[in-house]
Amino acid sequence: QSALTQPRSVSGSPGQSVTISCTGTSSDVGGYNSVSWYQQHPGKAPKLMIYDVTKRPSGVPARFSGSKSGHTASLTISGLQAEDEADYYCCSYTGTYTWVFGGGTKLTVL
Amino acid sequence: EAQLVESGGGVVRPGGSLRLSCAASGFTFDGYGMSWVRQAPGKGLEWVSGINWNGGSPGYADSVKGRFTISRDNAKNSLYLQMNSLRVEDTALYHCARVAFDAYYYMDVWGKGTSVTVSS
Repeated sequence: QSALTQPRSVSGSPGQSVTISCTGTSSDVGGYNSVSWYQQHPGKAPKLMIYDVTKRPSGVPARFSGSKSGHTASLTISGLQAEDEADYYCCSYTGTYTWVFGGGTKLTVL
Repeated sequence: EAQLVESGGGVVRPGGSLRLSCAASGFTFDGYGMSWVRQAPGKGLEWVSGINWNGGSPGYADSVKGRFTISRDNAKNSLYLQMNSLRVEDTALYHCARVAFDAYYYMDVWGKGTSVTVSS
């Protein structure tokens, strides 16, 4: 149950695109198309942004998109906005009602 | 609107016990699995435990296995986490989360959390 690997921080200017990676193993990211992404603003509960690698819940802007290749999943945010500044966490289902999170990435909008 | 409200947190000595509760409303509780996720101060999210809709298939993180027990009471729309043999490193904000299913399982609704501090 080792945590998935995410960059500690990423940054971008308003209007630009940023991509956050999430690397695991064949036991998690590589083994299931079950990666989800969560946005967390300071002092707030996490919010679901992407599930099943590429799906967006209703209400999440189309600027947020997900993908996966092999053992690495990615979250791309296009047309960055100031309110996108937050911590982002990836999460993978690992079978039999178990999950593993990434260490989190702090997104700074310059 | 689906809502989850945690309670039961507090300050406890190392080796002590605590029982967390999560009250669900706004959705059919017994139609969903549930999960506990914690966040130590200044740290990232850590999945702790999960349970399916009827109380079966409980899963635990290695860090809490043998010390924590997850359970639910569908008649009371409530989820629980019994925490025994608590350690300083269990100090965290504990969130409960609803587990949804499409092609796979994911956590779609989260509570604001209840704080647990383990300190001598």
